[in-house]
Amino acid sequence: EVLLVESGGALVQPGRSLRLSCTASAFTFDDYAMHWVRQAPGKGLEWVSSISWNSGTVAYADSVKGRFTISRDNAKNSLYLQMNSLRAEDTAFYYCAKDMRPGIGLRPLFNYWGQGTLVTVSS
Amino acid sequence: SYVLTQPPSVSVAPGQTARITCGGNNIGSKSVHWYRQKPGQAPALVVYDDSDRPSGIPERFSGSNSGNTATLTISRVEAGDEADYYCQVWDTSGYHVVFGGGTKLTVL
Repeated sequence: EVLLVESGGALVQPGRSLRLSCTASAFTFDDYAMHWVRQAPGKGLEWVSSISWNSGTVAYADSVKGRFTISRDNAKNSLYLQMNSLRAEDTAFYYCAKDMRPGIGLRPLFNYWGQGTLVTVSS
Repeated sequence: SYVLTQPPSVSVAPGQTARITCGGNNIGSKSVHWYRQKPGQAPALVVYDDSDRPSGIPERFSGSNSGNTATLTISRVEAGDEADYYCQVWDTSGYHVVFGGGTKLTVL
């Protein structure tokens, strides 16, 4: 069974940095694009970022562009999200999600999700 | 930027049919995906590419997409269908994923 496990969530002060990780198992990680989606407590889903299988294509939501960086290490079956200059509005559960379709490019469709890791930005 | 509009809530009695809409400019030209999120759980894909179902999703779940509205239809609604439902598209012009605001389905 596909498993995605996020880690790295924490309470952090505004302006500080945090790095999230997602470890994947039970599928060929380097065949699929991967994604980060967040959800503020009690709110709806908000896409954050996506990365193609070979890291050749990345995309970011306007709200995080220039502050967050998505990356992956296919040898370690791992996805990352480096978050800099954190703001209170970045407070959310961050989900790692697997794309449904293998191959190049980005056409995001999320067929497996992790359980999420909570990031709280507060002084 | 592209916007998807969903009704905040839909209520339906058990055994009846629930229809959840997702409005967007010429959404019929895009592939629409639907997710279900039960309280305390991660979202789960229930319909993709307008009307296809992932394995394990019952035939009671169906979708359609035309013009400016996509619709998720849940037939013979059960208490266990109570959840938040989100539509999603890939906006190729802005290279962004867009989610609808979500619809809370209440089974009366």
